[in-house]
Amino acid sequence: DSGVTQTPKHLITATGQRVTLRCSPRSGDLSVYWYQQSLDQGLQFLIQYYNGEERAKGNILERFSAQQFPDLHSELNLSSLELGDSALYFCASSVAGTRYPSTDTQYFGPGTRLTVL
Amino acid sequence: EDQVTQSPEALRLQEGESSSLNCSYTVSGLRGLFWYRQDPGKGPEFLFTLYSAGEEKEKERLKATLTKKESFLHITAPKPEDSATYLCAVQARRDDKIIFGKGTRLHILP
Repeated sequence: DSGVTQTPKHLITATGQRVTLRCSPRSGDLSVYWYQQSLDQGLQFLIQYYNGEERAKGNILERFSAQQFPDLHSELNLSSLELGDSALYFCASSVAGTRYPSTDTQYFGPGTRLTVL
Repeated sequence: EDQVTQSPEALRLQEGESSSLNCSYTVSGLRGLFWYRQDPGKGPEFLFTLYSAGEEKEKERLKATLTKKESFLHITAPKPEDSATYLCAVQARRDDKIIFGKGTRLHILP
């Protein structure tokens, strides 16, 4: 158990809908990362938050948004869902978010499996 | 462009048959290279972080090594429970972004 929790475990919804995925980081971790994993694409970095502020942005669509709250939990909002958004969504957390020489070793949650019908 | 390539895509070994997985990377200033293990339908599990060329780390039957262009994950006398997908990722010093490779699916036959 990594200490990172994600809810819900599974989510089935229809095209055009909006969903919210939730992540609670490990105790003491300030950074939260969101990833999308599909069969053909592997793990795609979406976005990182550090202590409530956006830190880095990856391949996140405009239909997706995220935020990190004062208690450090994070939510990923996916809207106008399309069939291609079906994937596993992982949240990870790390202590750092600081610069060199430290590195951001990440600990992953169990994921949310999103199915868009 | 920063890039991570893992090979082979898939590997089948007999129990006890040692081998190595490769992770080739291109990054403008390496801050760290990570190895993860992922079981089907589960989140990646952290294995190692390597920081500089020449560094090695070990954990049970696994040993990770790093050069300026690639990393190897050596698996010695593997057991069926080592079957998983092994992921490599790099973090660039320039922008701190982390890039994952597509992984190597390892299957150990009893």
